Amino acid sequence: NAGVMQNPRHLVRRRGQEARLRCSPMKGHSHVYWYRQLPEEGLKFMVYLQKENIIDESGMPKERFSAEFPKEGPSILRIQQVVRGDSAAYFCASSPTGTGGPEAFFGQGTRLTVV
Amino acid sequence: QKEVEQNSGPLSVPEGAIASLNCTYSDRGSQSFFWYRQYSGKSPELIMSIYSNGDKEDGRFTAQLNKASQYVSLLIRDSQPSDSATYLCAPSRTGRRALTFGSGTRLQVQP
Repeated sequence: NAGVMQNPRHLVRRRGQEARLRCSPMKGHSHVYWYRQLPEEGLKFMVYLQKENIIDESGMPKERFSAEFPKEGPSILRIQQVVRGDSAAYFCASSPTGTGGPEAFFGQGTRLTVV
Repeated sequence: QKEVEQNSGPLSVPEGAIASLNCTYSDRGSQSFFWYRQYSGKSPELIMSIYSNGDKEDGRFTAQLNKASQYVSLLIRDSQPSDSATYLCAPSRTGRRALTFGSGTRLQVQP
């Protein structure tokens, strides 16, 4: 049973480009959470999705950021027109239920660098 | 006031000593408390959960919770160099879907 898979592991984008981060949850998990970790900081919640639905996007910046979790395929976090301040590690976690606590398993993260 | 406060460290302890990591939180509705360990460049992994006041022991780890003081701690006995990592505290309110993490305490265990 593969764990939570995130790709790419490292992503370099120039300012103004788009970044697409993918997260494939563990088998049987239909709940996905995205977190962002800035250098030397803790993880900050961004968005919580179930298949085809955004349940809570209270932590997501209002502009340039979007997320989806289609019926088929991985969850995608999309950042348009990236800026230097978007450089961070983006982690996704999946769980079989919606609790988001100990049942959630984290992927290895995507480290985004904006140059 | 931050929702979750942790001393960023680094906390440096010699091998074999007890490392004490502290966390205070502001949401009095928090009922579940989690400690995650994060090695540099890696993802967080859950190492302890505690739900009621008092102590909970698991191997070399002991979590302590005092809801009245809004304080949770993690003790690591017989610290090993492999324990060197950042430890993140995450209190959670029942029904809240996502975790709120502290910024973490970096622990360095000196051989």
